[in-house]
Parts: sequence; C-alpha cells; structure tokens
Amino acid sequence: KQEVTQIPAALSVPEGENLVLNCSFTDSAIYNLQWFRQDPGKGLTSLLLIQSSQREQTSGRLNASLDKSSGRSTLYIAASQPGDSATYLCAVRAGGFKTIFGAGTRLFVKA
Amino acid sequence: NAGVTQTPKFQVLKTGQSMTLQCAQDMNHNSMYWYRQDPGMGLRLIYYSASEGTTDKGEVPNGYNVSRLNKREFSLRLESAAPSQTSVYFCASREAYEQYFGPGTRLTVT
Repeated sequence: KQEVTQIPAALSVPEGENLVLNCSFTDSAIYNLQWFRQDPGKGLTSLLLIQSSQREQTSGRLNASLDKSSGRSTLYIAASQPGDSATYLCAVRAGGFKTIFGAGTRLFVKA
Repeated sequence: NAGVTQTPKFQVLKTGQSMTLQCAQDMNHNSMYWYRQDPGMGLRLIYYSASEGTTDKGEVPNGYNVSRLNKREFSLRLESAAPSQTSVYFCASREAYEQYFGPGTRLTVT
C-alpha cells in the first residue's frame, strides 16, 4: 500500500532563506507526483507536477525534484517571502484514478 | 471559467441528519473526486467517478453515497451524519495529469 510522508510537519524560517521541503513515498511505481499549496481555509492550488519519467520541474522560485528509486521528492523554494507562508502538500498518483496525499508541511516565513 | 465550485461553504448538522454536498466543474473533465481532510492526516479519497455514469469507492467510503449527475456535476450525500464525519470536504476534477480542487465545504456534525 502506497504511503506518503512529509517531513517536517512544520517549519519556520526568516524571510530570504532558501528552503527544502521533503516528501517520501513507499512504492516507487508511480505515475506522477504533484506539489500543492494550501492557504488557511482554502482549497489546494497546484504548484508543480512531475511525470514519472522526469527528474525535476521548475516554476519561478520553485523547483521540484523526483527520485523514484529512492522514493523521494523535494520542493525547493528560493529566497522565501512572507507570502510563501502556507501548507505544502505532495501527492502521488500510483496509476488508475487514485492519488495518495501526504499530511503536508506547514511553512511560516517571518518578515 | 469558474473551475471547480462547491456548495455550501459551511454546514452544521445534528447527528442523524442528512445532507448533500454539491460540486460542479466547467472544464469538461471526465474524472471527478471527493476527498475529506482531517487535521494531521492529509486528504483521503472518499469516492471517485472516472467518467459520467460510473462511480467507485475510495479509501474511506463508509457513510457516504455519490451521484455523478452528468459530466459537470458530482454530489456527495451523507444519509445519517455522525460526529466522525466532521471534516473539510474537497471536490476535485482531473484532466490528463493534473487535479483541480474546489474551495471546500467545512462540515461540523454535533
């Protein structure tokens, strides 16, 4: 059974710092992996999607990497800003129509 | 283009009451999903619909029913609400690869 874990559960950093969020999964047979952002009381917004054949994806200050063999993905945020404060979730699609979510990392960027 | 919409945004029910959560998408996606989100547990799949006319159970289907009314709409029904169903419910739809989420319904069962 596929399980997705995100560490740390919460992170507080000063503005301007570069940071890495981690996501690990137990079954390497995945279709794709997606990173989401969730603001308090809101829905999920897709940030980056990495197909199983890809190693990384970039969007602005965000870079996501995927290492299927080790069951890991990282989300790198460069030059963090207070507006980046949110919960970040990773989700693994293992084939078919089901997606397994991690519990998320709550990020707080201090001004 | 509204994306995925959900109604209501908030709801309080007493134990044993029933209600239907509504979801609609205007992106012409075939597959639609209902999730619940509880503190510290991420999102868990309740039911999904791969295409109009089909529905399947997800990870936590007990206590829920769904209807895929047409390609746009996918509703979730609680027949007899229980306090354990207090949660935030999200509807989503998918194109080939990405999922798109609605804003959620915050449900409290007392």
